Amino acid sequence: SAVISQKPSRDICQRGTSLTIQCQVDSQVTMMFWYRQQPGQSLTLIATANQGSEATYESGFVIDKFPISRPNLTFSTLTVSNMSPEDSSIYLCSVVFDRGTTEAFFGQGTRLTVV
Amino acid sequence: RKEVEQDPGPFNVPEGATVAFNCTYSNSASQSFFWYRQDCRKEPKLLMSVYSSGNEDGRFTAQLNRASQYISLLIRDSKLSDSATYLCVVNQLDSSYKLIFGSGTRLLVRP
Repeated sequence: SAVISQKPSRDICQRGTSLTIQCQVDSQVTMMFWYRQQPGQSLTLIATANQGSEATYESGFVIDKFPISRPNLTFSTLTVSNMSPEDSSIYLCSVVFDRGTTEAFFGQGTRLTVV
Repeated sequence: RKEVEQDPGPFNVPEGATVAFNCTYSNSASQSFFWYRQDCRKEPKLLMSVYSSGNEDGRFTAQLNRASQYISLLIRDSKLSDSATYLCVVNQLDSSYKLIFGSGTRLLVRP
């Protein structure tokens, strides 16, 4: 099975700063997504990372706050910009390998604390 | 109304018990259905896909009722290691391939 590497696994950041999270897959994937999981909550989709074009954001999420890159089929980054304590959350990269099954697999997550 | 609704639990059961989780979804156009398991402070992991005919994997059985827009997961002979949060997940199978997650049902299996 493919390996999805997400880093950093955790970080503590000062408010007003930005953090870039990386997601690397060891094989080509069809789709890549970024999710947020706030404490005690389920997963909320932030955006779909599109290769070579702007990401598709869900309602409530904007590019200025969560810029996303996907330069190729195996790598994506999510930046959390101008952080505030409300951004403290787990951020998860997710990939779909096969359009036919649509089963999604997740990176290990990045636990972000903003102080 | 949430797109995917689950009973949050927690379900507290003894080892060996049979436990059932239910989930309803609001979008009748939904095409793919899954149960994920999430352990504390870990990422969600696919437990099983759910097919119209129902499917079984060892102690786990998943059922789908499209008419009622209802999905279930049955766990037989519960083990301590089954303690986790179980997430009901739905995919519209439009071009977006987005997953919609329920809030999860927490299961605690006690000795």
